[in-house]
Amino acid sequence: AQSVTQLDSHVSVSEGTPVLLRCNYSSSYSPSLFWYVQHPNKGLQLLLKYTSAATLVKGINGFEAEFKKSETSFHLTKPSAHMSDAAEYFCVVTDRSSGTYKYIFGTGTRLKVLA
Amino acid sequence: GAGVSQSPRYKVAKRGQDVALRCDPISGHVSLFWYQQALGQGPEFLTYFQNEAQLDKSGLPSDRFFAERPEGSVSTLKIQRTQQEDSAVYLCASSLSGSGPTDTQYFGPGTRLTVL
Repeated sequence: AQSVTQLDSHVSVSEGTPVLLRCNYSSSYSPSLFWYVQHPNKGLQLLLKYTSAATLVKGINGFEAEFKKSETSFHLTKPSAHMSDAAEYFCVVTDRSSGTYKYIFGTGTRLKVLA
Repeated sequence: GAGVSQSPRYKVAKRGQDVALRCDPISGHVSLFWYQQALGQGPEFLTYFQNEAQLDKSGLPSDRFFAERPEGSVSTLKIQRTQQEDSAVYLCASSLSGSGPTDTQYFGPGTRLTVL
């Protein structure tokens, strides 16, 4: 079965500094990977997804992620954090072990942005 | 256009009560998923519908959990004889086509269930 590991449960950055949220995956075949963001009392919103095309994926709000097969990683980055980026971020891989392409979520990384 | 909506947004139940949680997917979306998100955890898959057919219920934790989507649109997740361990946020998601590896799922805001 596929899985993802988010290496940090909490990350704090100052406004205007770079953001790095780390995700490693385990997959027996070429994976499809996603990053979602969850703001309080709001639904999960797709930031970006990797589907075996370009390894550098650009998403919304200035986020991007790079798929590195050799390192089994899919880290999320942003050059300059904004206060509105404070939220919970989930790395996701699709898994078909039960016959359905369902999402397998990481445990989440809570991003705090300091003024 | 309208996104995925869920109701109620909050539900408090006494242990042993039955509850019903509703999901209205994006119009025309074929696939519908239910997930359970415990406090401080990532969402976990419960069940999947393609139109009105429930094709995967491998994530349902017990036979107290039941889901339906009789007309291929609105779905209801029912939990019978609720237990404290059922306290969680229940998320519904829909996607445009049948289940595929790259399909984007669109999530509703969730229903927060608290069992006392």
